[in-house]
Amino acid sequence: KQEVTQIPAALSVPEGENLVLNCSFTDSAIYNLQWFRQDPGKGLTSLLLIQSSQREQTSGRLNASLDKSSGRSTLYIAASQPGDSATYLCAVEGGGSYIPTFGRGTSLIVHP
Amino acid sequence: DVKVTQSSRYLVKRTGEKVFLECVQDMDHENMFWYRQDPGLGLRLIYFSYDVKMKEKGDIPEGYSVSREKKERFSLILESASTNQTSMYLCASSLGGESTDTQYFGPGTRLTVL
Repeated sequence: KQEVTQIPAALSVPEGENLVLNCSFTDSAIYNLQWFRQDPGKGLTSLLLIQSSQREQTSGRLNASLDKSSGRSTLYIAASQPGDSATYLCAVEGGGSYIPTFGRGTSLIVHP
Repeated sequence: DVKVTQSSRYLVKRTGEKVFLECVQDMDHENMFWYRQDPGLGLRLIYFSYDVKMKEKGDIPEGYSVSREKKERFSLILESASTNQTSMYLCASSLGGESTDTQYFGPGTRLTVL
């Protein structure tokens, strides 16, 4: 069964820092990996979707990479801002199932 | 843009009541999901539906049932609500088939069972 781990569980940084969030998964036979953002008390919003044939995806200040062989993905946030404060979750589809497996998320606080 | 709506943002019910949570999506998606989210436990799948009238149990189906009579609507039913079902409930949808498409989430329903 696929397991998804996110490290660190929580992160607090000053505004302007570049930061990296990590996601690892145990079964490398994936279809895709997705990064989501969740604000407190709200639903999840998709940030980036990386198909299994891709190595990275970019959207604005966000860049997500995928290394299937090592079972890892990173979400890079450039020049962090207080508005980036949220929980970031990664989810993996694969192993014959189109039901995503979610990590528990990284709670990010960017302080002014 | 895909829109997933949930019938209530906040709900307070009493133990033993029958509770209906409704989810509607407007993009003709085949797949629909119900999750619950609790601090320290993350997102857990309750039920999944890949077509009208089709459903599969997720990781924690006990105490819940679902109904999908129309493609756009997926209902979660708590037959007899209990305090341990107090949680945030999230509905999601995706394209379906063998498409590895984005999941789209609703805003969530915060359910409190007293």
